[in-house]
Order: sequence, then C-alpha cells, then structure tokens
Amino acid sequence: AQSVTQPDIHITVSEGASLELRCNYSYGATPYLFWYVQSPGQGLQLLLKYFSGDTLVQGIKGFEAEFKRSQSSFNLRKPSVHWSDAAEYFCAVGPPRAGNMLTFGGGTRLMVKP
Amino acid sequence: EAGVAQSPRYKIIEKRQSVAFWCNPISGHATLYWYQQILGQGPKLLIQFQNNGVVDDSQLPKDRFSAERLKGVDSTLKIQPAKLEDSAVYLCASGRGTEAFFGQGTRLTVV
Repeated sequence: AQSVTQPDIHITVSEGASLELRCNYSYGATPYLFWYVQSPGQGLQLLLKYFSGDTLVQGIKGFEAEFKRSQSSFNLRKPSVHWSDAAEYFCAVGPPRAGNMLTFGGGTRLMVKP
Repeated sequence: EAGVAQSPRYKIIEKRQSVAFWCNPISGHATLYWYQQILGQGPKLLIQFQNNGVVDDSQLPKDRFSAERLKGVDSTLKIQPAKLEDSAVYLCASGRGTEAFFGQGTRLTVV
C-alpha cells in the first residue's frame, strides 16, 4: 500500500530565509507527486506536481520541488520565505494515469518569524 | 471559473444524530471525491465518483456513512448516526485529468 511521510510536523523559519520541507513516499512504481498548501479555514491549493520528465519542477508562489527516485523523496523548497507562506503543507501521491486518488502525508505546519 | 462549492461550512451535532453535507463540483468535472481530514492529519479519501458511479469506496465506513452523486453533478455525504470520532473537516474535490480542485470543506463537530 502506498504511504507518504512528512517527518517534520512543525517548522519555523525567519522571513527571507530559505525553506525545505521533506516528503518521502512508499509506492510500487513511480507515482504522480503533488504538494498542496492549506491556509487556515481554506481548502487545499495545488502548489506543484510531478508526473515525469525533468525532476525539478516549478510551482506557484516561487516554490519548487525535486523528485529523487533513489531516495523516494519529493522535497519542497523556496529560496526566500514570505510571511504569507505561513500555512500547512501537504505532500501527496497518486497512481499514474489516475493521479487524483490521492494519499496524503500528515502535513507540515510552517510558521514564519518576522 | 467557479470553484468547488460546499455547504454548510460548519456543523455541530450531538452524537447519534445524522448530518448531511453537500458538494457542487466545478462544471464539467467528471470525477468527484470526498475526503475526511481529522485535526492534525492529512486528508483521507473516503469515496471517489466517476460521473454518477462509484469508483472506490473502500475507506468509507459503510455502516454509518453513505454518499451519492445525483445525475453525475452534485453530491451529498451523509453520516447516520454520528460518533465523536467523526469530528473532522470533510473536503470535496473534483477533477478532470490529473489535477484535483478542493472546496473549503465542512467542519463537523460531534459533541
């Protein structure tokens, strides 16, 4: 069965600092991979997705993620965090060609210090 | 385009009562999902519809949960009777292709 692990439950960074959120997955084959962001009281918004090809994918709001097959990882990065990035971030996997049936990680709550 | 609409936004009920949630997906999206998000956890898929047929309901507690998608558009999720552990946010999502779009969710509190 597929699973997603986000090892960091909470992360605090200073505004302007760089950010990396970790995601590891367990899946029989290379799944479709996603990062979503959830602000308080809001639904999930897709930041970026990986299906195939270039292992470094660019998303919205200046986020990027790198797929590393050998490590079964899909870590999310941002070079300079803004206060508005404070939210909960979820990594998710979905089966190829049916990527919408998602299995989510437990989430990482990002706090940004001024 | 309009997003996924869910109602109500909030609901408080007593245990053993029944409750229903409504979802209106994005127009033209054939696939519709219900997820349960317990506080502090990631969303968990409950059921997936393709048009008005069920694709996967393996994680739906069928003794108390039911869902339907009338005419392949709107969907309702019902819980009867509710338990304390059903307190969660219920998220509806719709999709076409490989991306799912989520509604704001219904926050259910069972007391």
